[in-house]
Amino acid sequence: GAVVSQHPSWVICKSGTSVKIECRSLDFQATTMFWYRQFPKQSLMLMATSNEGSKATYEQGVEKDKFLINHASLTLSTLTVTSAHPEDSSFYICSASDFNQPQHFGDGTRLSIL
Amino acid sequence: KQEVTQIPAALSVPEGENLVLNCSFTDSAIYNLQWFRQDPGKGLTSLLLIQSSQREQTSGRLNASLDKSSGRSTLYIAASQPGDSATYLCALGGGSQGNLIFGKGTKLSVKP
Repeated sequence: GAVVSQHPSWVICKSGTSVKIECRSLDFQATTMFWYRQFPKQSLMLMATSNEGSKATYEQGVEKDKFLINHASLTLSTLTVTSAHPEDSSFYICSASDFNQPQHFGDGTRLSIL
Repeated sequence: KQEVTQIPAALSVPEGENLVLNCSFTDSAIYNLQWFRQDPGKGLTSLLLIQSSQREQTSGRLNASLDKSSGRSTLYIAASQPGDSATYLCALGGGSQGNLIFGKGTKLSVKP
């Protein structure tokens, strides 16, 4: 089956630093990638949708200047949390899809900001 | 705005029991409905996908049904096993780009 690799799986860093999370589709071309955030005991919430070669579409309430998304190729999207603060600590999950086919999810990144 | 509710939030059953997880949604204009499994600290594993024109899907011991008119879906797990312990998420696909709207999940614990 389709494989999506997400890296890193866990990151701990100091407040104020920037963190980059990578999402790769290993065996298919991902025309669309999605970034979700999940707080403890909450559902996954879509943060943004990115299509290869174009700007990401952010959901209401998600700061585009804080959560920078790049989808420069059909196999790679990155999410950069800029100037991270403790309230940004969460579980971030990406998914990838090829033209409205079912999404395939990465294993997630647990981000802890001290 | 689509809202997805999963009941119960948590469920504990003895091994071997058959069980049903419930998912309800407010807007019947959906593209598809998926059931996922999430293990602690992990990503999502897709279990079953039901297109809006379908009524049910089966995979092994799992059977998912969809009733758009009543805004409900159920996931039936037969002969539960300890390895089935996980959080089960229901998600609705309805956007033009395929983004999913998730419920909060049902945390299932199957006791040996």
